[in-house]
Amino acid sequence: QVQLQQWGAGLLRPSDTLSLTCVVSGGSFDDYFWSWIRQSPEKGLEWIGEISPRGVTNYRPSLSSRLTMTVDRSQNRIFLRMTSMTADDIGLYYCARGGFSAVGKHVLQSGRDSFDSWGQGSLVTVSS
Amino acid sequence: EILLTQSPGTLSLSPGDRAALSCRASQSVSAKYLAWYQQKSGQVPRLLIYGTTTRASGIPDRFSGSGSGTDFTLTISRLEPEDFAVYFCQQYVNLPYTFGQGTKLEI
Repeated sequence: QVQLQQWGAGLLRPSDTLSLTCVVSGGSFDDYFWSWIRQSPEKGLEWIGEISPRGVTNYRPSLSSRLTMTVDRSQNRIFLRMTSMTADDIGLYYCARGGFSAVGKHVLQSGRDSFDSWGQGSLVTVSS
Repeated sequence: EILLTQSPGTLSLSPGDRAALSCRASQSVSAKYLAWYQQKSGQVPRLLIYGTTTRASGIPDRFSGSGSGTDFTLTISRLEPEDFAVYFCQQYVNLPYTFGQGTKLEI
């Protein structure tokens, strides 16, 4: 059974950069898109973006200028980097498994699926 | 982006009751691309239903989904004490994927 474990710095100052890591075990890492999702009382659940091990990325347009998602296939890890953090970014950040990254040899351009496995969440606070 | 509006915001029922939770989309969503999640306090969201009607692995058959176009419903036929939680719908037909704001099901 696939498991996602995530970690990263939780207390940031305004304008800092958020860095989170998610490691996947017990499943086929290469076969799926991997998403970052955040949750706050004000905004509810908000999809941030996704990446496939084949390097396809899709970002939420309102966040795209601040986002970088990368992947390390050798260690089954995905990374989130978000710059210029503000209080508006406070929340619980999750990594999650999305849809298939390819069908046969055809590389898909988005996961377009529900999220069936989630990391435990990382609480991110921004305060001076 | 597609806006999902869930109603009611809070639903107060008793164990054994039937619950119907609504999710309305701002534009048509193919039934293949609509999911429901359950989130209990302090826990990670859990996938209940995908493709509008298909239960995820391990989900009891008292949970069912229906709908098409812009109107979707999650039905819980006979509420168990462990079903009292917050429920979210999600669309994944268009980027960015979006979630509803949630319906809290309380005793």
